[in-house]
Amino acid sequence: NAGVTQTPKFRILKIGQSMTLQCTQDMNHNYMYWYRQDPGMGLKLIYYSVGAGITDKGEVPNGYNVSRSTTEDFPLRLELAAPSQTSVYFCASSYLNEQFFGPGTRLTVL
Amino acid sequence: AQKITQTQPGMFVQEKEAVTLDCTYDTSDQSYGLFWYKQPSSGEMIFLIYQGSYDEQNATEGRYSLNFQKARKSANLVISASQLGDSAMYFCAMRVGSGYALNFGKGTSLLVTP
Repeated sequence: NAGVTQTPKFRILKIGQSMTLQCTQDMNHNYMYWYRQDPGMGLKLIYYSVGAGITDKGEVPNGYNVSRSTTEDFPLRLELAAPSQTSVYFCASSYLNEQFFGPGTRLTVL
Repeated sequence: AQKITQTQPGMFVQEKEAVTLDCTYDTSDQSYGLFWYKQPSSGEMIFLIYQGSYDEQNATEGRYSLNFQKARKSANLVISASQLGDSAMYFCAMRVGSGYALNFGKGTSLLVTP
C-alpha cells in the first residue's frame, strides 16, 4: 500500500494563478481531508469529504474548492492564488479513529 | 466550540529521561477522541497515540502514554526514556463532529539533549 500520496511536493505560484493539489489514497477510506499548516502553527481543516460525491467546508475554506468523484481521489483547487495561501498542505484519510497523512505539499505564492 | 491548548511552545529533556507534554481541551460533547502526532523536521505527520472519551484506561503505545484526566479536560503525553530521535514538534488534536476531522493545537517543540 502506498497510503496517501500527494503531488506536487513543492510549488511556487504567482499571485492570481490557479493550481490543483492532487491527493490519492489506496486504503479504500471513505473519509478524506485537506489541512493547511502555517509556520509555527498546528493544522487547520480546509475541506473534508465523507464519501464520493460528498464534501463539506472546514475551518478555513475561503479561496479553495474540492471535488470527490471517486473514493481514491480528493483534489484541492486553488483559484486566484494569494500570498496568504503560502503554506504546507496536508491531505489525510481516515478509518475509524486513525488518520493517515500524506507527505504534504509546500506551496509558496509570490 | 472545540479547542485544543498546548501551553508549552518548547521543551528540553535529557536523553533517557521522561518528559510530559501538556494538552488541555474544551468541548461540550460527551463523545470525542484525543490524539497525539509527532512531526519531525522532515515534515511528515506521525500518529502516536489515541484516547477515546469513554476509555477508562489511559492509552499506551510503547514508550508513549496518554495521561487522560477527563474532569480536568487534559490529555498529556508522556514519553518515557527519551531518545535523540524524539526531537520534533508534537501536536495534540481532538476529533470533532461526525466527519472525524481533527482540531489541532499549536504544538510543542521537544528537544532531546545528550
